[in-house]
Amino acid sequence: RKEVEQDPGPFNVPEGATVAFNCTYSNSASQSFFWYRQDCRKEPKLLMSVYSSGNEDGRFTAQLNRASQYISLLIRDSKLSDSATYLCVVNDANYGQNFVFGPGTRLSVLP
Amino acid sequence: SAVISQKPSRDICQRGTSLTIQCQVDSQVTMMFWYRQQPGQSLTLIATANQGSEATYESGFVIDKFPISRPNLTFSTLTVSNMSPEDSSIYLCSVGDRNSVTIYFGEGSWLTVV
Repeated sequence: RKEVEQDPGPFNVPEGATVAFNCTYSNSASQSFFWYRQDCRKEPKLLMSVYSSGNEDGRFTAQLNRASQYISLLIRDSKLSDSATYLCVVNDANYGQNFVFGPGTRLSVLP
Repeated sequence: SAVISQKPSRDICQRGTSLTIQCQVDSQVTMMFWYRQQPGQSLTLIATANQGSEATYESGFVIDKFPISRPNLTFSTLTVSNMSPEDSSIYLCSVGDRNSVTIYFGEGSWLTVV
């Protein structure tokens, strides 16, 4: 079983739609969780951290369920500019950093 | 976040040659990492570049193939040695602080081996 798994996608949605991505991780001792965004032929960029209490940043909402080892990202009112690959990232290290990247889910927002 | 500059941004290399990628950060950082992203794949950590000592390599990566230097807290190099077409990838430098919880990436170096 892979350490971090994501919906394979691609997701093709119309502008204005709401779309949700799911991610599961295998290491129950994982410490911190993130969503990164990667545009075509660009480097990954941090989108948001994910906390147990859930967190929201504008149209983006991230949730963490430690019991189920599950992370989600919800995008409301999709924009064309949201088209990208979304990477679920888990830090396994108790101290320092051991980032494990999921395979990514591709999103295409269509006009 | 720190500004991370990589060069070359892209290159086409002949089989059997070696290429050194440079990573420059605009501030001192504790931790620097080198990742590889093969076509259509996610990111894989190659090694942690340690200042003043040998890099720490992940399983499947060895120093002879990917020698790394880290002479100070703002600079690192990764060499891809004796390249083959299977080495065609994006190579990404990233930085993080031991006390921070996130990492940030340079723009990447796109290598094509022919």
